[in-house]
Amino acid sequence: GDSVTQMEGPVTLSEEAFLTINCTYTATGYPSLFWYVQYPGEGLQLLLKATKADDKGSNKGFEATYRKETTSFHLEKGSVQVSDSAVYFCALTSPYNQGGKLIFGQGTELSVKP
Amino acid sequence: KAGVTQTPRYLIKTRGQQVTLSCSPISGHRSVSWYQQTPGQGLQFLFEYFSETQRNKGNFPGRFSGRQFSNSRSEMNVSTLELGDSALYLCASSLGLLQDTQYFGPGTRLTVL
Repeated sequence: GDSVTQMEGPVTLSEEAFLTINCTYTATGYPSLFWYVQYPGEGLQLLLKATKADDKGSNKGFEATYRKETTSFHLEKGSVQVSDSAVYFCALTSPYNQGGKLIFGQGTELSVKP
Repeated sequence: KAGVTQTPRYLIKTRGQQVTLSCSPISGHRSVSWYQQTPGQGLQFLFEYFSETQRNKGNFPGRFSGRQFSNSRSEMNVSTLELGDSALYLCASSLGLLQDTQYFGPGTRLTVL
């Protein structure tokens, strides 16, 4: 079945460091790919998305490129801030699942120190 | 435009009781999906409703059920609560198109004692 694998956390970085969170997926066909972020005590917020191969999603300085050849959707940010501390989830929806069914990775906790 | 709202935000129940959670989607959205989030199992899909019909279902026992009303609001019910049902229950709404973006509410934190 479809699945998403993320790098394990927690990831601890200093402010202004470069961030990469790896995400790879297994799916039939061309899934849509998403990154969601969850701040403590809150629900999930959509960070960015990509719907076809080679698409780049971007938002708030975060970027991720849909790589079909490596089945990856790695999240990057050039300079993290303390306010970026949160849990990040990579997710997909399959074109073969009618309607909305997000399949999530296990989440990667990011902690940014001043 | 108002976001997804969920009520209540926190619930404490005891084993064997039942509970109903409510979700109001973003205006104009016809699809509502429910997810369970636990530290051990992560985020798992429960079910999705579109135009008052269950369109997709995850691998949860029959104690978990839901419904959707004509105004797209949705409720989720868990009967005969077990300790393992303690979790954050998240609701998400979308237009309901294939592979559409889902927008999440703040969740309901359920604690079963």
